[in-house]
Amino acid sequence: KAGVTQTPRYLIKTRGQQVTLSCSPISGHRSVSWYQQTPGQGLQFLFEYFSETQRNKGNFPGRFSGRQFSNSRSEMNVSTLELGDSALYLCASSLAGPENTEAFFGQGTRLTVV
Amino acid sequence: AQSVTQLDSQVPVFEEAPVELRCNYSSSVSVYLFWYVQYPNQGLQLLLKYLSGSTLVKGINGFEAEFNKSQTSFHLRKPSVHISDTAEYFCAVSRNTGGFKTIFGAGTRLFVKA
Repeated sequence: KAGVTQTPRYLIKTRGQQVTLSCSPISGHRSVSWYQQTPGQGLQFLFEYFSETQRNKGNFPGRFSGRQFSNSRSEMNVSTLELGDSALYLCASSLAGPENTEAFFGQGTRLTVV
Repeated sequence: AQSVTQLDSQVPVFEEAPVELRCNYSSSVSVYLFWYVQYPNQGLQLLLKYLSGSTLVKGINGFEAEFNKSQTSFHLRKPSVHISDTAEYFCAVSRNTGGFKTIFGAGTRLFVKA
């Protein structure tokens, strides 16, 4: 069974640009969550999608948005990039039933904003 | 709201020595508890989880954790560590309320010395 796939693995962008990150969950998983990991702030929850709907949202500005497609693949978009957006962005998928609470993580996309 | 506190940011230990990584959580409702491990440039991998039942949970790589409801703790232990256990360890809490949202602690860096 293939794991969670995130693309690209590495990305360098300039301040003010926008970026789109992709996450393909494990087959059959309908929940996809996104996290931002930085040395100073640790792992911060961005949002969670289930069946193409955003179910939970963290405390990030509106520049951070996401969506989920009918095949459960998810994309995360960051507009008007700032230097502070440099981070490892992790995606996690889950079956999302009450008995299926384990999240499986991808290897992440390392975004560098210059 | 839930929160997680990992009491040690770094834990140095000699190879073959025992180790305990401490984790306390706060929540007004029942939660699920997890420990994840992250190796350099990788995503997170689940070590073990507590959903219900026995308070002593055994995980992969010889790790175990004990859920203590009265002390709201979920400390991770290993009786004898190896060099390969050097990594970042995250304690996490989750409550499935119709949305999957896992809150992570700040992480503890375990450094195993020869």
